[in-house]
Amino acid sequence: GAGVSQTPSNKVTEKGKYVELRCDPISGHTALYWYRQSLGQGPEFLIYFQGTGAADDSGLPNDRFFAVRPEGSVSTLKIQRTERGDSAVYLCASSFPGLPHNEQFFGPGTRLTVL
Amino acid sequence: GENVEQHPSTLSVQEGDSAVIKCTYSDSASNYFPWYKQELGKRPQLIIDIRSNVGEKKDQRIAVTLNKTAKHFSLHITETQPEDSAVYFCAAKTDSWGKLQFGAGTQVVVTP
Repeated sequence: GAGVSQTPSNKVTEKGKYVELRCDPISGHTALYWYRQSLGQGPEFLIYFQGTGAADDSGLPNDRFFAVRPEGSVSTLKIQRTERGDSAVYLCASSFPGLPHNEQFFGPGTRLTVL
Repeated sequence: GENVEQHPSTLSVQEGDSAVIKCTYSDSASNYFPWYKQELGKRPQLIIDIRSNVGEKKDQRIAVTLNKTAKHFSLHITETQPEDSAVYFCAAKTDSWGKLQFGAGTQVVVTP
């Protein structure tokens, strides 16, 4: 595909459940970022990967949030014991060393609703 | 860490008028300042960016200015059109691969 894709586009879950959100970056992009966007706010950084390793996970709010990128391509954001406050749009972005200023290209997001 | 503030939160302009959005940042190490446009329900898309060694950059109807001393940067849209209606976010970054720190966004409404 031409752009970053994310699945599912919408996810409704109940408080306390476990969810996984998937991001497919642009092919060849080595850097992958996760952001969370609450209604009326700017995206808030969660974690970023350079290849398979998490280079910066300082934005993860607590240990219920975890992300992996085992083969340096697709990434999964995992949220355990979901809470209503986790409801937001989760955005993924990817980037590549050859891009000017390492521009980040965003996916369409996954809208997570925790009931 | 970096903190980015953005004003105004909403901006209504008549078609053909200019729109200006202002952002301030706190970390003097920030060296890259992109602007993203986000239409309702869509992904953020980069519209223009500027590095800290440049004071101004222009691309057709949009321009960005940067004042490193005052730690603020602004987006200028001239001859606004209805399709400019969207939420605009400023952001700042301190290192090449690092995270973007976003402002809270400005809802721009262009009325015909």
